[in-house]
Amino acid sequence: AQKITQTQPGMFVQEKEAVTLDCTYDTSDQSYGLFWYKQPSSGEMIFLIYQGSYDEQNATEGRYSLNFQKARKSANLVISASQLGDSAMYFCAMSPYGNNRLAFGKGNQVVVIP
Amino acid sequence: KAGVTQTPRYLIKTRGQQVTLSCSPISGHRSVSWYQQTPGQGLQFLFEYFSETQRNKGNFPGRFSGRQFSNSRSEMNVSTLELGDSALYLCASSFLAGGPGNEQFFGPGTRLTVL
Repeated sequence: AQKITQTQPGMFVQEKEAVTLDCTYDTSDQSYGLFWYKQPSSGEMIFLIYQGSYDEQNATEGRYSLNFQKARKSANLVISASQLGDSAMYFCAMSPYGNNRLAFGKGNQVVVIP
Repeated sequence: KAGVTQTPRYLIKTRGQQVTLSCSPISGHRSVSWYQQTPGQGLQFLFEYFSETQRNKGNFPGRFSGRQFSNSRSEMNVSTLELGDSALYLCASSFLAGGPGNEQFFGPGTRLTVL
C-alpha cells in the first residue's frame, strides 16, 4: 500500500514569489509515478506535473517543478512566480507502475495575495 | 482534443434512491478510474476499468458498482443511497493501464448530494 503525507498548514504566498509544497511518500513498490494536481474551488482536478521513479532528471512544466529525492521519498512541488490564479488546493499522489490506482495526500491549501 | 467529461455535474437525490454517473475519457484513452472526495476522508479510489475490464477495486461496499463500454465511456452506479454518499465523484482517464509516463487526467466531477 502507498501512503502520501502532506502536512503543511494553509499557506499565504505573495504574488510573484515562489512557493514549495512538501510531499513525502511511503511505498514498497520499486517502480511508481508521482503526480501533483491542483484543485481550485470549482472542484476540477487539474494535472500539473509527473515524475517517474526512474527518471533521473527532476520534472519541470512551465512554472512548476518537482524536487524529487528518491532516497528520502520526497517529491516537493515548486511553483515559481506565483499568480493569483494559483490559489487552490494542491494534492500529491502516487501510483505503482502496475496500475492506475492513485493514492492521494490530504492536500495543501495555497492562497496567493497581491 | 477534448478533455474528460462527466455528467451530470450536479445531482440531488434522497436516501434509498440509486444514481448513475457517467464519464467520457479523453479520446484514445482506455483506462477510466473513479474517486470519491469528501471533506472527512479526502480522495478515495473506487475502481478502475481498462478495456471494459475492472482491474482494481477500492474498499467500498457493494452498493458501488461500475462498468465500461466498448467506446471506453464508463458509468458508476450507487444503489440505496446513504447520507454519507454525498461527495464529489471524480473520474480520471489515461492511455495505458499503468507504467512509466502514464499521466492521468481528471474530469470536472459530479457533485452528489443525498438528502
